[in-house]
Amino acid sequence: EVQLVESGGDLVQPGGSLRLSCAASGFTFNTYWMSWVRQAPGKGLEWVANIKLDGSEKHYVDSVKDRFTISRDNAKNSLYLQMNSLRAEDTAVYYCARGGGPIDYWGQGTLVTVSS
Amino acid sequence: DIQMTQSPSSLSASVGDRVTITCRASQGIRNDLGWYQQKPGKAPKRLIYAASNLQGGVPSRFSGSGSGTEFTLTISNLQPEDFATYYCLQHNSYPRTFGQGTKVEI
Repeated sequence: EVQLVESGGDLVQPGGSLRLSCAASGFTFNTYWMSWVRQAPGKGLEWVANIKLDGSEKHYVDSVKDRFTISRDNAKNSLYLQMNSLRAEDTAVYYCARGGGPIDYWGQGTLVTVSS
Repeated sequence: DIQMTQSPSSLSASVGDRVTITCRASQGIRNDLGWYQQKPGKAPKRLIYAASNLQGGVPSRFSGSGSGTEFTLTISNLQPEDFATYYCLQHNSYPRTFGQGTKVEI
């Protein structure tokens, strides 16, 4: 069974940093692109970033470029999102998802709140 | 960026109804589109991939069609558990983009 478990969400002040993690199990992690998708409270889904199987290729939505960094550790079956210079508009539930194009499985999400 | 225009934004329907949701892409995306269902407080669940292929385990009352710029999700014989919000997602180009969502209400 595919499982994706996010962690690391928290309340952080504007300008602060946070690192999200996603532990993957139930599939061969290093054979899949992986993605982060977020959802602001009461709003729709927004794709954030994805990363290739070996980490050699990464893509970001413009609003997070130069602030967020996606990475992975295939030895640990883990996906990460380093978020710097956080803004109020980054407040959202962040989902880890399997796939870089067609996304098939999603984690349950972790809440990031950016507020003073 | 490719804009995905989803309509309607919400609809009211009854159990047993047939419901159709549309996504229009601002440029051609072949069949690089998926449909997702999301219930309150839960993660999205994929229903359809490659525009018209039913995800394993998803009831056959869900179907998808379209190619290029116009796509539809149809739910025939709406069931109580189908009341949720539905999203399309294009993965033809970057950035990946979702439709705004369609809330299906009783």
